[in-house]
Amino acid sequence: GAVVSQHPSWVICKSGTSVKIECRSLDFQATTMFWYRQFPKQSLMLMATSNEGSKATYEQGVEKDKFLINHASLTLSTLTVTSAHPEDSSFYICSASPGQGPRQPQHFGDGTRLSIL
Amino acid sequence: DAKTTQPTSMDCAEGRAANLPCNHSTISGNEYVYWYRQIHSQGPQYIIHGLKNNETNEMASLIITEDRKSSTLILPHATLRDTAVYYCIVRGARVGYKLSFGAGTTVTVRA
Repeated sequence: GAVVSQHPSWVICKSGTSVKIECRSLDFQATTMFWYRQFPKQSLMLMATSNEGSKATYEQGVEKDKFLINHASLTLSTLTVTSAHPEDSSFYICSASPGQGPRQPQHFGDGTRLSIL
Repeated sequence: DAKTTQPTSMDCAEGRAANLPCNHSTISGNEYVYWYRQIHSQGPQYIIHGLKNNETNEMASLIITEDRKSSTLILPHATLRDTAVYYCIVRGARVGYKLSFGAGTTVTVRA
């Protein structure tokens, strides 16, 4: 149980393109999902918290107009990288939990590798 | 948030137990210790978590010291597929239950 799926797993696109990444909880509902970014040889950095039915909350230094988050249902959150540039190339990972609070583990998707040419 | 300290890297022999230490001396009473691992080019995988009691599941055991200032993740019989970066994370209300990943321990299991 507690499976989180991301799509696509890999995308290459030209500079200036907007790219949408989906994160789905397959066998549970999640009011909150999290988006992370990971550059090569670095650890995961939390970008934002996606809240179902309300605005996402962004970590300090993350541009909310650059990284649009929509959490329209209890099983789907999307991250759109707008007008992507080569410096946005990274590994984007989402996580979700079947419940709230510290006793419920967060489960992660397999990530989306984004390459901007 | 309570920070954690882990060794940068460890080598383990296949078939032997792997003991991964973590220091979290500033942990508060209602914060949990979580362990995740990340195999190359994949998303992190949940391993185990605990508050103050030792915990065991099909993947690993978690030993938390009585003062809760440190813990050890035990992989009972390491296999080559256990080669990964292992993250020890303290999770609690102070940071809205978010997971904050440090550098982790790069564990290499050798045949």
